[in-house]
Amino acid sequence: KAGVTQTPRYLIKTRGQQVTLSCSPISGHRSVSWYQQTPGQGLQFLFEYFSETQRNKGNFPGRFSGRQFSNSRSEMNVSTLELGDSALYLCASQAEGLASETQYFGPGTRLLVL
Amino acid sequence: EDKVVQSPLSLVVHEGDTVTLNCSYEVTNFRSLLWYKQEKKAPTFLFMLTSSGIEKKSGRLSSILDKKELFSILNITATQTGDSAIYLCAVTSEKLTFGTGTRLTIIP
Repeated sequence: KAGVTQTPRYLIKTRGQQVTLSCSPISGHRSVSWYQQTPGQGLQFLFEYFSETQRNKGNFPGRFSGRQFSNSRSEMNVSTLELGDSALYLCASQAEGLASETQYFGPGTRLLVL
Repeated sequence: EDKVVQSPLSLVVHEGDTVTLNCSYEVTNFRSLLWYKQEKKAPTFLFMLTSSGIEKKSGRLSSILDKKELFSILNITATQTGDSAIYLCAVTSEKLTFGTGTRLTIIP
């Protein structure tokens, strides 16, 4: 099976712009979670989508949003970018999103906001 | 708010040494604790622990969970330079909460 894929791998934006990141989970997986990783804060949970519905949400402002399509692919959008949004954005897929399942991470999208 | 704390933040040892990494947590509705290894790419899964006192082992790596004292340890014996990485601990409740990781550096 192909692994989790994320596009683009690298992105440079300026403050105030918006960005859309894409994640394709492992075939057959229905749960996609998004994380932000920064050197100071570590990995922080953004949200989880399952069957096109947001199932869980972390403590991020409304500028961070996401959606999931019927083929389980997910997108994450960040509007009005701030310098502090520079980070590695990881998505992870699971079959059903249960605690008993392993979560598989994609390679991440590294976003730099200037 | 769920909280996961890892210690030490960083560790430098010589090849062949044994290391113990710590993870303590405070979460509501604990379901499982996971360990990941992260090199210059996405985290890769090491162990999932759900029951206290049962050691999970994979080669030179092993891990155990204590649900009464709310912590887990990850042991690596006979360390090699390839073990250099950030080791992440995460706890699942309603969501997955990660610690900030332990940066392990193995000196040849």
